[in-house]
Amino acid sequence: DTAVSQTPKYLVTQMGNDKSIKCEQNLGHDTMYWYKQDSKKFLKIMFSYNNKELIINETVPNRFSPKSPDKAHLNLHINSLELGDSAVYFCASSQDDRTQTYEQYFGPGTRLTVT
Amino acid sequence: GEDVEQSLFLSVREGDSSVINCTYTDSSSTYLYWYKQEPGAGLQLLTYIFSNMDMKQDQRLTVLLNKKDKHLSLRIADTQTGDSAIYFCADLDQAGTALIFGKGTTLSVSS
Repeated sequence: DTAVSQTPKYLVTQMGNDKSIKCEQNLGHDTMYWYKQDSKKFLKIMFSYNNKELIINETVPNRFSPKSPDKAHLNLHINSLELGDSAVYFCASSQDDRTQTYEQYFGPGTRLTVT
Repeated sequence: GEDVEQSLFLSVREGDSSVINCTYTDSSSTYLYWYKQEPGAGLQLLTYIFSNMDMKQDQRLTVLLNKKDKHLSLRIADTQTGDSAIYFCADLDQAGTALIFGKGTTLSVSS
């Protein structure tokens, strides 16, 4: 069983378009995340979200917005795509319990290419 | 701000030990992690260490933590070609909401 899944795996689109990447976790976790990995493999947090709060990395443009229809899903919507948005986007989840180790489980990634 | 630093490349021969080093800045870190990323794949949690521990061993993996120097290392014994991957050191941010990753160390294992 896939713990954290993302669709699509690859996404090629033109500048100016709006696109969404879906993420689902079947682990029963409370918190979900989006990370961006650039061409140099550097990974940075974009958002973390649970039913209490959304925390946004201040460097993320407001063209990016997470949407959570329910606890098991956190989708990433991107407006007016730019060339610099090309990257691999990873979804992750963890159990929001401060007695635990905050282990985060990652999805396989979505490679976004903006042309 | 909080930062995690790693060397970018390490090359070893099959059967040797690999040691990947990491330094971090957040003195209040409670957990530190090692993740592995194989080509074209997502991140896999390899191991983690709690800040009140100096060492943790898990089969071929040994994690050493020097809290005074804010230094973390991952030793892989008897390195195999299948260990070739990018290894990320990560720290939980002060808010406990997200991981701060180092830039990743690309481990290349030659036979």
